[in-house]
Amino acid sequence: GAVVSQHPSWVICKSGTSVKIECRSLDFQATTMFWYRQFPKQSLMLMATSNEGSKATYEQGVEKDKFLINHASLTLSTLTVTSAHPEDSSFYICSARPLGGNTIYFGEGSWLTVV
Amino acid sequence: AQKITQTQPGMFVQEKEAVTLDCTYDTSDPSYGLFWYKQPSSGEMIFLIYQGSYDQQNATEGRYSLNFQKARKSANLVISASQLGDSAMYFCAMRFMINAGGTSYGKLTFGQGTILTVHP
Repeated sequence: GAVVSQHPSWVICKSGTSVKIECRSLDFQATTMFWYRQFPKQSLMLMATSNEGSKATYEQGVEKDKFLINHASLTLSTLTVTSAHPEDSSFYICSARPLGGNTIYFGEGSWLTVV
Repeated sequence: AQKITQTQPGMFVQEKEAVTLDCTYDTSDPSYGLFWYKQPSSGEMIFLIYQGSYDQQNATEGRYSLNFQKARKSANLVISASQLGDSAMYFCAMRFMINAGGTSYGKLTFGQGTILTVHP
């Protein structure tokens, strides 16, 4: 199946710093990618929809200035957590759908710990 | 509003037996897609099976089959011949179309998840 890769898989950062997570579709193009956040043993919560070449669409309650999303190309979207705080510690996972396809594929996820 | 419900927080099954994971959904859109994903403890989301709302036949992928009851709005996952490696969290999800700023795209909403434990 199609491959979506996230980097880094694990990241620890100091409170107040920013951290960037990349989401790449390795063997297909995606005009739309999605960013989710997941707390332990809970469901995935959609944070925002990343659209190539335009501004991301954020879900209600998600701070767009804190979670910056950039979709620079048809194969890359980035999520930057700015001025990170310990409560931002979570599992972040992205997904993408190949153009013209039905299936939505997920990256491996990124574990963020803010200390 | 679109909604997905998984009512089984946890399920147990004996190795080599079949198990059904429940999923019901609610939408007024005629066109939608239903997915099942497996999430092991490592966190990755593994795509298992897809069913389109207009598909006449139930989807099957190896040991996975989707029991699609459109009138009841249910999309249960059946895993046959369970294996120890099947132990994981399973999520049902529904894709529906969103129109925003002149652009249409599909958006996924997830159920609460079911933790499946396979006993030897």
